[in-house]
Amino acid sequence: AQSVTQLDSHVSVSEGTPVLLRCNYSSSYSPSLFWYVQHPNKGLQLLLKYTSAATLVKGINGFEAEFKKSETSFHLTKPSAHMSDAAEYFCVVSDNQAGTALIFGKGTTLSVSS
Amino acid sequence: NAGVTQTPKFQVLKTGQSMTLQCAQDMNHNSMYWYRQDPGMGLRLIYYSASEGTTDKGEVPNGYNVSRLNKREFSLRLESAAPSQTSVYFCASSERRGNQPQHFGDGTRLSIL
Repeated sequence: AQSVTQLDSHVSVSEGTPVLLRCNYSSSYSPSLFWYVQHPNKGLQLLLKYTSAATLVKGINGFEAEFKKSETSFHLTKPSAHMSDAAEYFCVVSDNQAGTALIFGKGTTLSVSS
Repeated sequence: NAGVTQTPKFQVLKTGQSMTLQCAQDMNHNSMYWYRQDPGMGLRLIYYSASEGTTDKGEVPNGYNVSRLNKREFSLRLESAAPSQTSVYFCASSERRGNQPQHFGDGTRLSIL
């Protein structure tokens, strides 16, 4: 069965420093993977998606993620954090074979200080 | 440019009351979903509708019913609300099931007293 684990529940960075949000997945089949962001009192917004094309995926707002099959990881990075990046981030897996709905990680809260 | 619209945005109910949460999408998507979000739990799927005329249970369907009224609308009903159903409810839609990104509404914050 597919699952996703976000390794940090909370990450704190200073503005202008790099961001790393870690995600490991488990899937019986070739997975599709997503990162979503949720700002306070808002719905989830898609940041980027991996669907078996290039392993380095670029998303919106300067975020990118690298799919590493050998490590079963899909970590989210950004070279320089901005105050507006403070939000909750969800790593999500979808099983192509079974066609199930998305399975969400428990989320990582990103705090950005000035 | 509405996307997915949920109503109401906030609601307080008493235990045992009934309530229908409404969701509509204007992207001509085939699939629609209802999730609940609880602190530290991520999002959990309640019900989904792969296409107009079909509905299926997700991970946590007990205490809920759904109706896919037409291609645009997908409602979630609580027949007899319980305090354990206090949560934030999100509706989402996608072109189809599977590896498609989903588009989310802004949520309904529901409190059951």
